[in-house]
Amino acid sequence: GAVVSQHPSRVICKSGTSVKIECRSLDFQATTMFWYRQFPKQSLMLMATSNEGSKATYEQGVEKDKFLINHASLTLSTLTVTSAHPEDSSFYICSAPGGPLSGNTIYFGEGSWLTVV
Amino acid sequence: KQEVTQIPAALSVPEGENLVLNCSFTDSAIYNLQWFRQDPGKGLTSLLLIQSSQREQTSGRLNASLDKSSGRSTLYIAASQPGDSATYLCAVPNSGGYQKVTFGTGTKLQVIP
Repeated sequence: GAVVSQHPSRVICKSGTSVKIECRSLDFQATTMFWYRQFPKQSLMLMATSNEGSKATYEQGVEKDKFLINHASLTLSTLTVTSAHPEDSSFYICSAPGGPLSGNTIYFGEGSWLTVV
Repeated sequence: KQEVTQIPAALSVPEGENLVLNCSFTDSAIYNLQWFRQDPGKGLTSLLLIQSSQREQTSGRLNASLDKSSGRSTLYIAASQPGDSATYLCAVPNSGGYQKVTFGTGTKLQVIP
């Protein structure tokens, strides 16, 4: 079945550096992908919509200059956390819709744990 | 705007008990609904996807039901085991589509040996 792969699953970076998280659809094309973030003791919240070949759409309150999203191909979206700070430490997860042939299933990556020290 | 509520927030049961987790949503015009589990420090594991045309979906000891009209889904876990201990999340598509979802706040389950 369709799989969405996310990498890395866990990353530690120093404060002030940038870190990139990749989200790949392995056996299907995704013109749109989505990025979510989980705040401590809260559920996952939608951050942004990644659009292939165009700019990402960010949810209210999400800093687009801090969370750079690039959807360079039909199978890859990347989230770059720029100038990371400890408060950016969180669980990030991506999703990609499988389309009508999949029964409108949304496929999720495994998620990435980011720790900024 | 879709709002998703999960009750209870936490649940502790002895091993072997059957249990029910609840998920309520405000906009019933949904394509499907998914249940996930999240282990501490780990990613999401998809458990069950139930389509809007279905009333139930089963996988092993898990059974998910969906009642769109009342905006409810339940996840039934039979004969619970310590390995079932995790946080369970339901994800419901946002109003007007199926691509974006709203997650519930989760139910943290502890199964005591």
